[in-house]
Amino acid sequence: DTGVSQDPRHKITKRGQNVTFRCDPISEHNRLYWYRQTLGQGPEFLTYFQNEAQLEKSRLLSDRFSAERPKGSFSTLEIQRTEQGDSAMYLCASSLQGRAVGSGELFFGEGSRLTVL
Amino acid sequence: GQNIDQPTEMTATEGAIVQINCTYQTSGFNGLFWYQQHAGEAPTFLSYNVLDGLEEKGRFSSFLSRSKGYSYLLLKELQMKDSASYLCASPPPYNQGGKLIFGQGTELSVKP
Repeated sequence: DTGVSQDPRHKITKRGQNVTFRCDPISEHNRLYWYRQTLGQGPEFLTYFQNEAQLEKSRLLSDRFSAERPKGSFSTLEIQRTEQGDSAMYLCASSLQGRAVGSGELFFGEGSRLTVL
Repeated sequence: GQNIDQPTEMTATEGAIVQINCTYQTSGFNGLFWYQQHAGEAPTFLSYNVLDGLEEKGRFSSFLSRSKGYSYLLLKELQMKDSASYLCASPPPYNQGGKLIFGQGTELSVKP
C-alpha cells in the first residue's frame, strides 16, 4: 500500500459547476477525514467517517458540500454550484482507530487543488 | 475552538538551531502533534506528545508542558530541506472522534 491517494490532483472549473473529488485511504484504516486548506493556513476540518458512517460535519460545510464513503473504503467529496470562495486544497487523511503509537496520527494524501474561475 | 497559536513565519540559518513554539487550550487536553508540510505536498507526521517533557527523534525534538498549554518543536543542524511549514495540532477537548485541529502553521525559511 502506497498511502492515501487523491484524485484529481488539480481541478479548474467555472463558478456554478459541480466537482467531485475521490480519496482512497490506507486499506486497513477505518477512519477517513476531509480537510480544506488555503494558502498560509493550516488544514481546516470538514468531516469524517468511521467505516461507512459519517460521524461529524463541520459547521463550515455548507449544504452545497456532500461526502460519502459507501462501502467504508474510498470516499468522495462533492461540491455543488461551486463559488470562487471554494478555491482551496482539499486534503484527505486516514487513521486507524485505537492505534497505540501516535494515538490517532493522521496520514494525509497529496490533496486535490480546486480553482474556481 | 481549539485556540492553537503559533508564529506565522520564522527564518534561520543552515546549521543552526530553531525553536518553533505553540500554545493551545488546556481543557480536555489529549495530546499534541507536530506535522511538517513542504509547499504543495501533504502534511507528514513528525511527533506526538501526551506527557510533559522532551521527546527526541534525531535532529527533531518536541517538548510539552501540559500545565502551561505550551509545546515547542526544536530543529537542530538545520538543512535547506527543512524549509517548510510546521503545523501544531491537537484533538478537540476530550478527543471527539480522532480528528485534529491545526494551527495556522509556521513557515520556516532556512537560509544558506
